[in-house]
Amino acid sequence: AQRVTQPEKLLSVFKGAPVELKCNYSYSGSPELFWYVQYSRQRLQLLLRHISRESIKGFTADLNKGETSFHLKKPFAQEEDSAMYYCALRFMYSGGGADGLTFGKGTHLIIQP
Amino acid sequence: GAVVSQHPSRVICKSGTSVKIECRSLDFQATTMFWYRQFPKQSLMLMATSNEGSKATYEQGVEKDKFLINHASLTLSTLTVTSAHPEDSSFYICSAKALGQGAMHFGDGTRLSIL
Repeated sequence: AQRVTQPEKLLSVFKGAPVELKCNYSYSGSPELFWYVQYSRQRLQLLLRHISRESIKGFTADLNKGETSFHLKKPFAQEEDSAMYYCALRFMYSGGGADGLTFGKGTHLIIQP
Repeated sequence: GAVVSQHPSRVICKSGTSVKIECRSLDFQATTMFWYRQFPKQSLMLMATSNEGSKATYEQGVEKDKFLINHASLTLSTLTVTSAHPEDSSFYICSAKALGQGAMHFGDGTRLSIL
């Protein structure tokens, strides 16, 4: 079965420091990965997806199939980046057709001033 | 952008009551909707996946008769927690996606408290 692992429950860095949120996955099919962010008292929202290779709010993430990783990075953290971050993997149900999304347990990122 | 509306946002009711939560996609047709449960300080747990017009696919360990899911139209899915008990108290979140799109759009969630 597919699995997403985020090893850090909590990550605290100082403003201006680099940030890396780790995400590893296991999946027998072709992976499609996402990062979702949940700011305090707001809904979950898509931050970025690997297929679009974009940079949102200064964050980037590269899919490394060899290491089965999709780490989220930002060179200089800002206080407004403080939030919960979830890595997610899109998977296909057996039999084809339908797909689902498996989430990691999330990492609480705290940016200290 | 795509909007998913979830209603109600907060429910408090007595043990034994059945509670219905609605999830609507407001500006797109959601061929697939998902229901999640989030316990305090824990990750989202996928409960079931529903495709419009067909029976929902439940994750292992989720009781089908307890959590009834209906996806009667391309813009509405409902989750009914039948005969709710205090252990069903949780934060329930729905999400929806359009056909052929990988991105998920989430509702604001429903805080269910069973007394």
